[in-house]
Amino acid sequence: GAVVSQHPSRVICKSGTSVKIECRSLDFQATTMFWYRQFPKQSLMLMATSNEGSKATYEQGVEKDKFLINHASLTLSTLTVTSAHPEDSSFYICSARSPSTDTQYFGPGTRLTVL
Amino acid sequence: AQSVAQPEDQVNVAEGNPLTVKCTYSVSGNPYLFWYVQYPNRGLQFLLKYITGDNLVKGSYGFEAEFNKSQTSFHLKKPSALVSDSALYFCAVRENQAGTALIFGKGTTLSVSS
Repeated sequence: GAVVSQHPSRVICKSGTSVKIECRSLDFQATTMFWYRQFPKQSLMLMATSNEGSKATYEQGVEKDKFLINHASLTLSTLTVTSAHPEDSSFYICSARSPSTDTQYFGPGTRLTVL
Repeated sequence: AQSVAQPEDQVNVAEGNPLTVKCTYSVSGNPYLFWYVQYPNRGLQFLLKYITGDNLVKGSYGFEAEFNKSQTSFHLKKPSALVSDSALYFCAVRENQAGTALIFGKGTTLSVSS
C-alpha cells in the first residue's frame, strides 16, 4: 500500500524557536498534500492544502505566516512552525493524495511540545 | 458545506460479537466516503472507501461499510470483533472533486473486551 512518512516523530522545543516537520510520500507521487492538527481525544482539523509548485491554501483561522508550508517536490511537503509557543503544542499529521487511487494516505504524525 | 457526524463517542462490544460504528454525512453532490482507524499516538490508517458502485464496500482487516443514500449514512461494520480492533475510528467525507481535503467526524472509540 501507499506509505507516507513524517519526520521527526516527536520534538520538544523552547518557546520562540522554529520547528520544521517533513512529510514524504515514499512510493507514490503526490501532487496534493494536506496538513492536519489533532488535539487530544479530538478529531483532525485541516490546516492547509498544499499543491506541488504552488502556494498552500490555508483554512480560515490558520495563520499562514506562522505555519509555513512548502511543497517543493511531488514527494515532499514541509510544515514549519515559526516562533513556536506552548499553545502550538499538538499532534500534527500530514496526508498525501495518491492520484492512482484518489485516496489520502496519512503519515504517522509528529508530536510537538513547546516549553 | 460538508459535514460528518459520528453520534457515538464510544462503542463497547465483546470479542466475537458483531460491531457497528455509525456515521452520517452531509455533502453537496455525490459523496466520497472513507473510514480510517487510529491507534494511540499514530497516524491514520485507511480502511475502506466508497466512491461509486456497490453500496457494500469491503475493506482491510475484515471491515465493511454500507452506503445508504436515502439515510445519508455510511456505517462501519465487522461480523466478529477482535480485541485488537480496539482503536479510534474516523469517518470522513469529501466532495466529488479531485484534490479536495477530507472532512472528518469527531471519531468513535471502539473498545472490544475479551
